[in-house]
Amino acid sequence: NAGVTQTPKFQVLKTGQSMTLQCAQDMNHEYMSWYRQDPGMGLRLIHYSVGAGITDQGEVPNGYNVSRSTTEDFPLRLLSAAPSQTSVYFCASSYAHVPGQGRREKLFFGSGTQLSVL
Amino acid sequence: RKEVEQDPGPFNVPEGATVAFNCTYSNSASQSFFWYRQDCRKEPKLLMSVYSSGNEDGRFTAQLNRASQYISLLIRDSKLSDSATYLCVVKGPEGGSYIPTFGRGTSLIVHP
Repeated sequence: NAGVTQTPKFQVLKTGQSMTLQCAQDMNHEYMSWYRQDPGMGLRLIHYSVGAGITDQGEVPNGYNVSRSTTEDFPLRLLSAAPSQTSVYFCASSYAHVPGQGRREKLFFGSGTQLSVL
Repeated sequence: RKEVEQDPGPFNVPEGATVAFNCTYSNSASQSFFWYRQDCRKEPKLLMSVYSSGNEDGRFTAQLNRASQYISLLIRDSKLSDSATYLCVVKGPEGGSYIPTFGRGTSLIVHP
């Protein structure tokens, strides 16, 4: 049981390049999400998904695309990287997104991606 | 936007001290509440859920006050290993889904 696997751990891009951050979970979680974390800003939600084929925007979606073709995978695509996208990115998943389900709401995080855009 | 506010600290306390953090939230429809712990350059991990009746897990006690819209975390007998950032997380309705919103975190430093 690998949990949430996030790759790569580090990435350096030039402005205008595109790339995909990979996120996979093997726990059959229905909810998956992407956050970015900047100094002093906490974790901000980029996009999320409540099941295969369903995605929605979070707080800071501009410049990012996602898709959820399978339950396991939730890749994050940077279309044209900008220096403002320099950040640490975390993928997170949980069994349930609906409240009142106790431990099933626990978020499992990937180990993070440090992205620098020059 | 729904807000979750925390004092960023840092809280600098000696070993053995008791320390308390508060977190306020603006969305009165929020339904689930959590404390996560994040070590430097690591991913956040669930510390404990927060229930209406309050709950305790060893040296950690969490409380929820719905009327005043805040949650608290009390750490007794602080250990050096408790040094970390503590993230308040509140889950409330956003459109048709329930989205966790993170506070910016409170930094705790426990010194010998």
